[in-house]
Amino acid sequence: TQLLEQSPQFLSIQEGENLTVYCNSSSVFSSLQWYRQEPGEGPVLLVTVVTGGEVKKLKRLTFQFGDARKDSSLHITAAQPGDTGLYLCAGRSTNAGKSTFGDGTTLTVKP
Amino acid sequence: GAVVSQHPSWVICKSGTSVKIECRSLDFQATTMFWYRQFPKQSLMLMATSNEGSKATYEQGVEKDKFLINHASLTLSTLTVTSAHPEDSSFYICSASAQTAGNTIYFGEGSWLTVV
Repeated sequence: TQLLEQSPQFLSIQEGENLTVYCNSSSVFSSLQWYRQEPGEGPVLLVTVVTGGEVKKLKRLTFQFGDARKDSSLHITAAQPGDTGLYLCAGRSTNAGKSTFGDGTTLTVKP
Repeated sequence: GAVVSQHPSWVICKSGTSVKIECRSLDFQATTMFWYRQFPKQSLMLMATSNEGSKATYEQGVEKDKFLINHASLTLSTLTVTSAHPEDSSFYICSASAQTAGNTIYFGEGSWLTVV
């Protein structure tokens, strides 16, 4: 069974601060996705990374895929209250296979 | 872009009754859909993989007779919670893989089930 360890589980910060969320596994993934979910809604895809060492930026969000494709990180610069939500990483072992989800990181950004 | 829609968004049912949740891919064909269950502030727990035209594959610990899955067409999968009990109350989410978009997984909006 593939496992994805996501940390931290809960994070509460002030507006303007930076933060990093980590997603680690002993398994290799063909691709890894990051999602953001708000209460009562389905997860919304933020990014997909597929190449080891890949770095993708989405405005203030920077995503990195580890060289060995076993881990990933999400860095948010100058967090805003609108960034509040549950962040989920998910890895897929094959291109069309099911996803293994991390435990999620609940982020609260206080104004 | 690809969209996955769930219906109903929320449902309240009496204990002992059955309730059906639909998952539709609106602008793409999905040979595979996934059903998840989620508790508040927790991650998604995969319940089963729904395959069009064949039996669903259930994860360990998920009762297939309790959670009936039917994937009758390339755009529709249904999850029926049979003889629902209060402990079945949860947020149920489906997702579908869009081969036309590099097998990207898109999620539905989720369905809140409350069993009273």
